[in-house]
This record gives sequence, structure tokens and C-alpha cells, in this order.
Amino acid sequence: DTAVSQTPKYLVTQMGNDKSIKCEQNLGHDTMYWYKQDSKKFLKIMFSYNNKELIINETVPNRFSPKSPDKAHLNLHINSLELGDSAVYFCASSQYREDYGYTFGSGTRLTVV
Amino acid sequence: LAKTTQPISMDSYEGQEVNITCSHNNIATNDYITWYQQFPSQGPRFIIQGYKTKVTNEVASLFIPADRKSSTLSLPRVSLSDTAVYYCLVGPMNYGGSQGNLIFGKGTKLSVKP
Repeated sequence: DTAVSQTPKYLVTQMGNDKSIKCEQNLGHDTMYWYKQDSKKFLKIMFSYNNKELIINETVPNRFSPKSPDKAHLNLHINSLELGDSAVYFCASSQYREDYGYTFGSGTRLTVV
Repeated sequence: LAKTTQPISMDSYEGQEVNITCSHNNIATNDYITWYQQFPSQGPRFIIQGYKTKVTNEVASLFIPADRKSSTLSLPRVSLSDTAVYYCLVGPMNYGGSQGNLIFGKGTKLSVKP
């Protein structure tokens, strides 16, 4: 009954590969997000997405793209992986205009070698 | 979104009350103050949110002075399991879309010792 679940939890891959991280939420929230946490523990927003609007952080390379097959899923596709993409990626969700904050997944640790 | 400043780290002992202060001098009228907790290898977890004065829930209390330029998260009688990083965030209530993307700072690493 996990609220926000991500798979895989760990991902090790070589430079140049293309990979995807999946995220699903069963909270009925209408907005989902992807955050990146780097080695210095900074959490930075990458994307926010609901049925009407995709907001992309301008610092995110276009090798990263979110894919949302439906309201409960927001997957992250990464093309041509680079060493600097190594980080922990968190998926989160929230309900518009409600005050209980974001619910985060447990993260996917991506290591590019 | 308003920039926040927190202590990088704090140490405490089991059973003590811990107060973590966050400065947000340029908080906007429609901004709320939210605190998150993050354990190693886990995503941040919502703790508490407030706009002014005092808010209390089963986990913590949040004190916000009248000028709202700072806030204090109070954790009563901490235990070893409260060792975590605590983030203070300031932003509008309307989560979702361009209005609600939370910006996390460095947070405060709280270490609770026996």
C-alpha cells in the first residue's frame, strides 16, 4: 500500500545508455514531480506535471524527459547518460490546493560508470 | 520563492527538546512555511506547515513570529530515531504547476545521541 513507489531502487549503467525510472502514486493526487538529489544533498526540482501542464526546470538537459501514461504514473526517461547524471532521483506527488505537502517516493540511486 | 537559511547541523541528546530555526527575510504575503524530514536513503517526509503564530501536530510544533521572517521547528523529547536532515521551505500554498514547485535548501542535519 505504498503511496508513491519508484522502480528500480538502484540502477547502475554505462555512459551513453538510455534508461527509464518508473513512478506510480495511489493517492489520487493530480500533480507529480521529479526531483534530483546530488552528492551534496541538494534537492532540485526537475519537472512538475499534471493533466494540463508540464513545467520543466530550465536547467534540466533535454536528455531528460517525463512520460505520463495516466494521472497515477510519471516516468523519467534519460537518454545518452553521462557521469554527472549520477544522483538519487525522487518522485513526488501532491494535491492541488491541499495543505499536507508533497509525498515522496523512496528514491532511485542512479550510478553512471 | 523565498530563500531560507538554517544551521547546517545540530546535536542533541535523547529526551531533550530541539528547536531548529529558519530565517526567511523575504517571505511573501501568500507564502507558507513547511518543514520536511529526510532519513538516509529515503525521500523527504512532510512534518508540519503553518502561516502564522503556532501550529502543533502529533510530531512537532511550529512557531512563527508576527513578522514571519523566521520560524522555529520544535521537536519535543527527541529520540535516536529523530536523527535526520530537516528542511525548511517557504512557498505558496497552491501546490502543483508553476506556483508550487518547492525549493529545498541544504537543511539542518540533526544528530541525536544517547
